[in-house]
Amino acid sequence: DTAVSQTPKYLVTQMGNDKSIKCEQNLGHDTMYWYKQDSKKFLKIMFSYNNKELIINETVPNRFSPKSPDKAHLNLHINSLELGDSAVYFCASSQDGGETQYFGPGTRLLVL
Amino acid sequence: GENVEQHPSTLSVQEGDSAVIKCTYSDSASNYFPWYKQELGKRPQLIIDIRSNVGEKKDQRIAVTLNKTAKHFSLHITETQPEDSAVYFCAASKGAGKSTFGDGTTLTVKP
Repeated sequence: DTAVSQTPKYLVTQMGNDKSIKCEQNLGHDTMYWYKQDSKKFLKIMFSYNNKELIINETVPNRFSPKSPDKAHLNLHINSLELGDSAVYFCASSQDGGETQYFGPGTRLLVL
Repeated sequence: GENVEQHPSTLSVQEGDSAVIKCTYSDSASNYFPWYKQELGKRPQLIIDIRSNVGEKKDQRIAVTLNKTAKHFSLHITETQPEDSAVYFCAASKGAGKSTFGDGTTLTVKP
């Protein structure tokens, strides 16, 4: 039983397209996150979503938007994809207070 | 906001030696300090953590120390093995989704 899952695992697309990555957690956690990991392996937080409060990293372009239909899901929508968006995107979740984050398997995005 | 600095960025040790990775943080409100290990092509996974009311925690070959006054914490791995080779991330958190990660340390353990 997968705790944090993401789809798709791989995503290859053209510049200018719009795409979405889905994330689901079955741990009952109330906080979810999106991270971007670039080729240098830096793990940069993009968003955290906690009890309907969205915390945005101010460096994230507004082409990126998180959408949470319910507490178990936090999807990532990306508009007008650019070459620099190529990276591995990780979803994670935690139980507030505990703060241990459980990561999904990652989605490798390649923009051509 | 919080700033977490992690050193060194790369570390190479001989099998059986010890490895130490250090992190400093800036926000005194941070109270939870986890360490994550990311093997090649895999997801980051928690290996050990420490809270601000504790100075040291140990789990078999790994230990973490925290100095709240100096705002730094360290990961210690003893008797390193080739399977310890990975990228290690420290993080500082003050709850409610407010976590900051260090830039990572690539540890290579040579047989």
